[in-house]
Amino acid sequence: EVQLVESGGGLVQPGGSLRLSCAGSGFTFSTYAMSWVRQAPGKGLEWVSGISANSGGSYYADSVKGRFTISRDNSKNTLYVQMNSLRAEDTAVYYCAKDQKPYDASAPLGDFDIWGQGTMVTVSS
Amino acid sequence: QSALTQPASVSGSPGQSITISCTGTSSDVGNYNLVSWYQHHPGKAPKLMIYEVNKRPSGVSTRFSGSKSGNTASLTISGLQAEDEADYYCCSYARSSAPVVFGGGTKLTVL
Repeated sequence: EVQLVESGGGLVQPGGSLRLSCAGSGFTFSTYAMSWVRQAPGKGLEWVSGISANSGGSYYADSVKGRFTISRDNSKNTLYVQMNSLRAEDTAVYYCAKDQKPYDASAPLGDFDIWGQGTMVTVSS
Repeated sequence: QSALTQPASVSGSPGQSITISCTGTSSDVGNYNLVSWYQHHPGKAPKLMIYEVNKRPSGVSTRFSGSKSGNTASLTISGLQAEDEADYYCCSYARSSAPVVFGGGTKLTVL
């Protein structure tokens, strides 16, 4: 079964850090661009960050640029996002998502066919 | 990187058809045939319903269709069913340092 499983969410104080992980299985993880997408309480979906299949390119929304770092370990079939200098407005369910088609060096294209179940990040004192 | 523009809500009766619009710019929707649509039920993972403007993934009902004209993409759901009630998001590729942009979402109510 093709699936993505996120972990690492939790409660963190403003200014703190957290690292989320996303383990993929049932597909050739190393051939697909991957992304993180979040949904704040009562808000819509927001693309946060993406990375090409071969880690040659990483991409960020303006709202997280300079604070979040995306990475992947294809030997472990795992996607990560290191989140630093967290703010209250980063409170959200964070989903990892897989691009539909395999490309080595492409940026994410936005056609996410597989999503994880989401992990909740709460930034509060 | 501005969000794509969608109506906040639409509604329809069972059996009717509805259309949700998604307006972007010449930097995203208007320049690429890389528009996707997602169905999102609260508490569940989003589901890909349409990709590359008008293609349906395997298993998605033929009642769902997509189109595009200029900077505006559209999702049409025909023969509305109760289970179609959900939030719907459009999404487009945009050639920039932030290559993916979502719409603000549309809440579909089946009356």
